[in-house]
Amino acid sequence: GESVGLHLPTLSVQEGDNSIINCAYSNSASDYFIWYKQESGKGPQFIIDIRSNMDKRQGQRVTVLLNKTVKHLSLQIAATQPGDSAVYFCAENRDGNKLVFGAGTILRVKS
Amino acid sequence: DTGVSQDPRHKITKRGQNVTFRCDPISEHNRLYWYRQTLGQGPEFLTYFQNEAQLEKSRLLSDRFSAERPKGSFSTLEIQRTEQGDSAMYLCASSLGGKPRETQYFGPGTRLLVL
Repeated sequence: GESVGLHLPTLSVQEGDNSIINCAYSNSASDYFIWYKQESGKGPQFIIDIRSNMDKRQGQRVTVLLNKTVKHLSLQIAATQPGDSAVYFCAENRDGNKLVFGAGTILRVKS
Repeated sequence: DTGVSQDPRHKITKRGQNVTFRCDPISEHNRLYWYRQTLGQGPEFLTYFQNEAQLEKSRLLSDRFSAERPKGSFSTLEIQRTEQGDSAMYLCASSLGGKPRETQYFGPGTRLLVL
């Protein structure tokens, strides 16, 4: 079936290093993707989004890359900080309405 | 804090009881969504409203579940005759609603435990 999923369930990085979180999607018609961060006991927090007419989009310390050829999405976090520790979800907005989320990647930042 | 609030934050109930959750979206947002999240999983879509109209319901939303948004502002989600499988985090999100593919901002969620 169609799905949005993540390759790595847990990622541990040293403080100050860069982090890369990956996501694969299977619906080639998907045209809008979003990354959310979820800290324990909180709701998902919007980080950055990208539309299919773009390959790359940058925010503050974060970059999202979209490779439509292999249906792959990644989130890069520069100079990872302890406050970045959370679960990261990629999500797909398939019909302009509801979001379809992957299972999530846990990011642990070691000081 | 995104501006979306949910109440209560936690609810413990016994199987068979009814529960009701409330969501207050960001004030100028016309769209309101409900999602459910179980431990270790991403949120799953339940239903959404455009103003007071409920436009889509997921197959996850059994007939024990009902959602309302009577005045196009806050929304309630009621679960009747709760079952242990209803234990989850219930998340509300809102967006402006002016066009497709807008950012959805989530509230803190209501964590439900059914004993």
